[in-house]
Amino acid sequence: DAGVTQSPTHLIKTRGQQVTLRCSPKSGHDTVSWYQQALGQGPQFIFQYYEEEERQRGNFPDRFSGHQFPNYSSELNVNALLLGDSALYLCASSPNPLAGNEQFFGPGTRLTVL
Amino acid sequence: AQSVTQLGSHVSVSEGALVLLRCNYSSSVPPYLFWYVQYPNQGLQLLLKYTSAATLVKGINGFEAEFKKSETSFHLTKPSAHMSDAAEYFCAVTPNNNDMRFGAGTRLTVKP
Repeated sequence: DAGVTQSPTHLIKTRGQQVTLRCSPKSGHDTVSWYQQALGQGPQFIFQYYEEEERQRGNFPDRFSGHQFPNYSSELNVNALLLGDSALYLCASSPNPLAGNEQFFGPGTRLTVL
Repeated sequence: AQSVTQLGSHVSVSEGALVLLRCNYSSSVPPYLFWYVQYPNQGLQLLLKYTSAATLVKGINGFEAEFKKSETSFHLTKPSAHMSDAAEYFCAVTPNNNDMRFGAGTRLTVKP
């Protein structure tokens, strides 16, 4: 059973560019969350998708947007990249957003903005 | 708002010694608490979770944590450290399954 997968593994962009990161959830999971982990810090919640809708959003600007597809996979889009967007982006999936369900994390996409 | 604070950004122990990683939470409602481990260049792996069923929670790799409401704590322990335990450990809290809030992390070093 494949766990959460993310692509690409690494990505290098320049300021002002746009980037799309992809995530496939663990089999049987229909909820996908995205997190940003800056170097030396804990992950910060960006948003969560359930039934193809953004269910909840953290304190991130509108430059960060997402999408969930009917097969539950998800994309994270970041526009107008800033140097401060350099981070590890983690995708997590869970079996519907019930309280107490743990989230399963993918290996992450390392984004470097030059 | 719910949050967690991890005391000590870096903990160093000798192999075979007790591991104690500290986490205190802030919550106005009964929390759901988690400990995750992150190895270099990898994602997060769940060690254990507290969902009010029992105050002493046993996890993988010999780790356990005790929920103490009076102290608002959820410290992670392991009786005997192994070299393979060296990693970054994160405590997290969530009132539901939407917004998981992580601490800043504690880096565990195990000396031979």
